[in-house]
Amino acid sequence: QTVVTQEPSLTVSPGGTVTLTCASSTGAVTSGYYPNWFQQKPGQPPRALIYSTANRRSWTPARFSGSLLGGKAALTLSGVQPEDEADYYCLLFHGGAWVFGGGTKLTVL
Amino acid sequence: QVQLVQSGAEVKKPGASVKVSCKASGYTFTSFDINWVRQAPGQGLEWMGWMNPDSGNTGYAQKFQGRVTMTRTTAINTAYMELSSLTSEDTAVYYCLRKEFGLVKGVGDYWGQGTLVTVSS
Repeated sequence: QTVVTQEPSLTVSPGGTVTLTCASSTGAVTSGYYPNWFQQKPGQPPRALIYSTANRRSWTPARFSGSLLGGKAALTLSGVQPEDEADYYCLLFHGGAWVFGGGTKLTVL
Repeated sequence: QVQLVQSGAEVKKPGASVKVSCKASGYTFTSFDINWVRQAPGQGLEWMGWMNPDSGNTGYAQKFQGRVTMTRTTAINTAYMELSSLTSEDTAVYYCLRKEFGLVKGVGDYWGQGTLVTVSS
């Protein structure tokens, strides 16, 4: 059973840059894990941000970027806005199934 | 516009089953997979499985195999997720979401509004 690990919480200042990561218990995350990233605000369904490592959805602001970094999937927010405060989840494909990470609570302070 | 509209909240007793519906509109229902994800109160997201509305083929997360069934009625563009042998640990918001066929185009460009299932004696 694959376990996907994210930072439980991160804090960033408005206008700053922060990187969230997503690791797999099976080893290094590659493009073959087709990493997806989602943003969720309280009381709302998740919203898709990034698919297949680095591809933005049509509605995803350019300040969100996805990559592979040090064997993990990564989501970098540059020029953070107050409205970016939310929970962020990664999703990886492995062994014929999709597995979510535990989520990162991002605080903008 | 693409919409996934789910059925309303349910309260079930332990041991019972629940069937949640997801009605699609604004696109060709049989051209995209439907996936199901759940979220327990205050917890993270958990992927449950997928269904191809065209073929009816399904794939379930190991944790739910034997207890979940995903079906559809194409005439009314509606997908269903039935979960049996409910326990209090199944109390969660259940979401349906759309996914393009294959892996490259990602998961969940559109989500339903969620259905709260409460399991309580």
